[in-house]
Amino acid sequence: DVKVTQSSRYLVKRTGEKVFLECVQDMDHENMFWYRQDPGLGLRLIYFSYDVKMKEKGDIPEGYSVSREKKERFSLILESASTNQTSMYLCASSLGQANTEAFFGQGTRLTVV
Amino acid sequence: GQNIDQPTEMTATEGAIVQINCTYQTSGFNGLFWYQQHAGEAPTFLSYNVLDGLEEKGRFSSFLSRSKGYSYLLLKELQMKDSASYLCAVGEYNFNKFYFGSGTKLNVKP
Repeated sequence: DVKVTQSSRYLVKRTGEKVFLECVQDMDHENMFWYRQDPGLGLRLIYFSYDVKMKEKGDIPEGYSVSREKKERFSLILESASTNQTSMYLCASSLGQANTEAFFGQGTRLTVV
Repeated sequence: GQNIDQPTEMTATEGAIVQINCTYQTSGFNGLFWYQQHAGEAPTFLSYNVLDGLEEKGRFSSFLSRSKGYSYLLLKELQMKDSASYLCAVGEYNFNKFYFGSGTKLNVKP
């Protein structure tokens, strides 16, 4: 079974802190994604990566950056956390070929106070 | 850009059939996916359609009409455990990106 693991289930950070959310997948998937999920807004794509060191902005990249130094790991960085970044963050991975679905991690509920 | 619409909430009775609709407008369409998400958990994959028509998978079926930008998820013999949110997602550009609708919260009542 594909496993996508996010480093924390719950996280509380202070405004202005630099925050790292880590995600690891064990199925050699090319593609990895970071979404945030908010009530009424669904899943919104922050960033995705289709290869090591490659990244593309999604719909809401402002205030975020990402890093993919190894194929299995995709990190989301909040450079200076703000209260409007309080959300559920979901990492996903996929093979990136036709007819393949994305697999999700368990999510990180981040609260910025 | 993407525009994916689904109803916000639906209620159905245990044992019944429910249809959840999804309409989309997208560039570079490459597949329509359905996910189930229980409260507080990650989305899990249910089904996908690449070509027009109906795909059946046990109690769940999904339909796609690419010319109409329309899909639906059909759940038969509803069970209480089917109470969850159902997310419609569009795959784009050889599935390098997935765009999701806001989800439909399904309440199954006894």
